[in-house]
Amino acid sequence: DTGVSQDPRHKITKRGQNVTFRCDPISEHNRLYWYRQTLGQGPEFLTYFQNEAQLEKSRLLSDRFSAERPKGSFSTLEIQRTEQGDSAMYLCASSLRWLAGGSYNEQFFGPGTRLTVL
Amino acid sequence: DQQVKQNSPSLSVQEGRISILNCDYTNSMFDYFLWYKKYPAEGPTFLISISSIKDKNEDGRFTVFLNKSAKHLSLHIVPSQPGDSAVYFCAASDTQAGNQFYFGTGTSLTVIP
Repeated sequence: DTGVSQDPRHKITKRGQNVTFRCDPISEHNRLYWYRQTLGQGPEFLTYFQNEAQLEKSRLLSDRFSAERPKGSFSTLEIQRTEQGDSAMYLCASSLRWLAGGSYNEQFFGPGTRLTVL
Repeated sequence: DQQVKQNSPSLSVQEGRISILNCDYTNSMFDYFLWYKKYPAEGPTFLISISSIKDKNEDGRFTVFLNKSAKHLSLHIVPSQPGDSAVYFCAASDTQAGNQFYFGTGTSLTVIP
């Protein structure tokens, strides 16, 4: 296991279709994040899991978006009824929990899934 | 509402010289800051971090400075190398409030050989 992997790397879909992305984090990492990045912007937080529990969701995450991490390992992000505004790079990151002694682990990012909605 | 700002979209530096990338934030509750580097077609890669209890953290050629009163941090790269050419993002978090990280818009650094 050499890092965070995401599948697919690219997805082109028509408006109104549903899409699902997968993220496989670094195996010992119990925290998993989803971000969205559009051109010229930094990554925007979407949601966060600790193990299988989804603990935080951004206001950006509309009800068309749903994320799961059923066994606390890989995660999926589904977008229903895609819109052209959903076109973006979707990034997944993983990290360990806050370490004893106050050292905070950084997030390791995957290569992202580029979504284009026509 | 952009809580983390990188006001310089791009920066060019000669190889061997110092690169200084700047980042400003508005939320005084942010207590943990990171810098990431991103190459095209790859996800961001962690570079260096700093906690609000410090004002400087150094790792090899990379040093991050934090000025809490000014809500400003900077990344210094000395000496700059052509392989440092990438987009650099700063990110901040209020670790007491949760696990959300706020990213700046990035600065594209070009190191000229």
